[in-house]
Amino acid sequence: EAQVTQNPRYLITVTGKKLTVTCSQNMNHEYMSWYRQDPGLGLRQIYYSMNVEVTDKGDVPEGYKVSRKEKRNFPLILESPSPNQTSLYFCASSSRDSSSYEQYFGPGTRLTVT
Amino acid sequence: AQSVSQHNHHVILSEAASLELGCNYSYGGTVNLFWYVQYPGQHLQLLLKYFSGDPLVKGIKGFEAEFIKSKFSFNLRKPSVQWSDTAEYFCAVRDTGRRALTFGSGTRLQVQP
Repeated sequence: EAQVTQNPRYLITVTGKKLTVTCSQNMNHEYMSWYRQDPGLGLRQIYYSMNVEVTDKGDVPEGYKVSRKEKRNFPLILESPSPNQTSLYFCASSSRDSSSYEQYFGPGTRLTVT
Repeated sequence: AQSVSQHNHHVILSEAASLELGCNYSYGGTVNLFWYVQYPGQHLQLLLKYFSGDPLVKGIKGFEAEFIKSKFSFNLRKPSVQWSDTAEYFCAVRDTGRRALTFGSGTRLQVQP
């Protein structure tokens, strides 16, 4: 089954404690991205990757890091989480095929930073 | 920068009522347009998309949307809603120079039985 998976689905942590949210897709997609969803703000892009070893900032990259060492994986790293990073995070992927830029979303990770 | 406006933040309808959700975007160039739906506790799913051609596009579950270029709009419609349509709906736009989607703030639809 074609899918995007994220782990963990729920995470409660404390300020300053480094964490990583994993994202994996099995569709051989070149493009992957991370969004955060906040009430009243919709989804905002954090980082994206056009292919292996190619990453770039989205609209709200501050406080986040990413890496793309393999095509299927795109982890999101919070080196020193702060309460304003409490949010719902979605990973998404899409193919390079220009006839369809549909993005496939993962199930989401709800992060709470206290 | 591209922006997307969804004017209705929370809509409450009775079953069988007609639905229209507004979406306007700011970019004047060539765009791809999308509507996504997020059912409670679930991830986003694509409802429909417009790339080119017929400006009236039909999606899943009886939804349709009309692209009006002169108005920079891509409104979502459904003639008769069901309780199972209760969800949050997001309009998204991609200008063809970028891969990223710009999302609207979402509209929460509540359908009462």
